[in-house]
Amino acid sequence: GQNIDQPTEMTATEGAIVQINCTYQTSGFNGLFWYQQHAGEAPTFLSYNVLDGLEEKGRFSSFLSRSKGYSYLLLKELQMKDSASYLCAVRDNYGQNFVFGPGTRLSVLP
Amino acid sequence: SQTIHQWPATLVQPVGSPLSLECTVEGTSNPNLYWYRQAAGRGLQLLFYSVGIGQISSEVPQNLSASRPQDRQFILSSKKLLLSDSGFYLCAWSPSPGQGADTQYFGPGTRLTVL
Repeated sequence: GQNIDQPTEMTATEGAIVQINCTYQTSGFNGLFWYQQHAGEAPTFLSYNVLDGLEEKGRFSSFLSRSKGYSYLLLKELQMKDSASYLCAVRDNYGQNFVFGPGTRLSVLP
Repeated sequence: SQTIHQWPATLVQPVGSPLSLECTVEGTSNPNLYWYRQAAGRGLQLLFYSVGIGQISSEVPQNLSASRPQDRQFILSSKKLLLSDSGFYLCAWSPSPGQGADTQYFGPGTRLTVL
């Protein structure tokens, strides 16, 4: 079966660092993706990991451990505009199907 | 560059009425196409995906259907809407394997309210 878990909600302060965790159990694996979704809008791509380790893109970094079925998204120097839902998704072996987690709603407070 | 369009942006329909949502992609060929539904405050539920014209895979049995009459056109339909069909419908595309960047790109979405 397919199962992806994320915390439902998180709160952090402007300028701080926050880590959003994602654990997955899927029948196949060909990459893990993080998306950002502001309320009422479509998701936008943030990062992609297919090998173990850390991928850094500006203020955002994503980490993957395939043996543990675990990933996290790290957001540094938080800004008010980072308040959004963050979706973790796993792509299956054949590269055709994406399974999404429930999303983590992040609130950044002044 | 590639773009993805969806319409309409918002829709209010009575229970039992038909539905047709359209999605088109520009600037690429032979994309994988997807329909998702997102209920209020929930994650994305994959409804259908397609790897080519006339090839549709259904992930969730329900009163919805999908069709791909052309390479870059994906249509979501229903003959009779239910209240539970309300939600935010998202179309997405991704390059077919070996064709480019490894991610999905989402359209702007259609917000459907069934009354």
